[in-house]
Amino acid sequence: GENVEQHPSTLSVQEGDSAVIKCTYSDSASNYFPWYKQELGKGPQLIIDIRSNVGEKKDQRIAVTLNKTAKHFSLHITETQPEDSAVYFCAVQEYGNKLVFGAGTILRVKS
Amino acid sequence: DVKVTQSSRYLVKRTGEKVFLECVQDMDHENMFWYRQDPGLGLRLIYFSYDVKMKEKGDIPEGYSVSREKKERFSLILESASTNQTSMYLCASSLYPLESGYTFGSGTRLTVV
Repeated sequence: GENVEQHPSTLSVQEGDSAVIKCTYSDSASNYFPWYKQELGKGPQLIIDIRSNVGEKKDQRIAVTLNKTAKHFSLHITETQPEDSAVYFCAVQEYGNKLVFGAGTILRVKS
Repeated sequence: DVKVTQSSRYLVKRTGEKVFLECVQDMDHENMFWYRQDPGLGLRLIYFSYDVKMKEKGDIPEGYSVSREKKERFSLILESASTNQTSMYLCASSLYPLESGYTFGSGTRLTVV
């Protein structure tokens, strides 16, 4: 089955700096890659996603880039704010509607 | 506007008890999923369902079963709770085909003592 590795496991940045989280996957047939944000006491929420026919997608301060050849994709958060502090999960679609998740990254934004 | 509702936020059960975790979605989604979340392990799929009365095992189904008698409701059952099933349980639903990811509930934190 699909194997998803996510790095780093924790990331601490100063407010206003950028944060980058990277995920690698194993199945070259995968074609849907969402990112989720989980705040304390809540379930994960979809923040951005990308399909394999696109190399980059942006939504205000967040962006996702995909390198299908190298089988990795990354979440970029610019101008980080304290409310960006959360756990972030990448995911890869396996067969059918199954998503395989990375282990998560704890992002701390220091003000 | 809660869309995926899990019946309990916190639950404490004794070893050997039969435990029911309930999940209801109001988005008419075909697919429903149960994950457990543990620190450092991410989200691991226990069971999922593509349609009413259909179920498929995920990556860690041992010790669990599920029931989906109605489209909007997906129940996770711990047949005989054990301490290693202490965890956060997350329910999710999605359309088929997968267009905009999953919608998750807020989770149930289960402690087995």
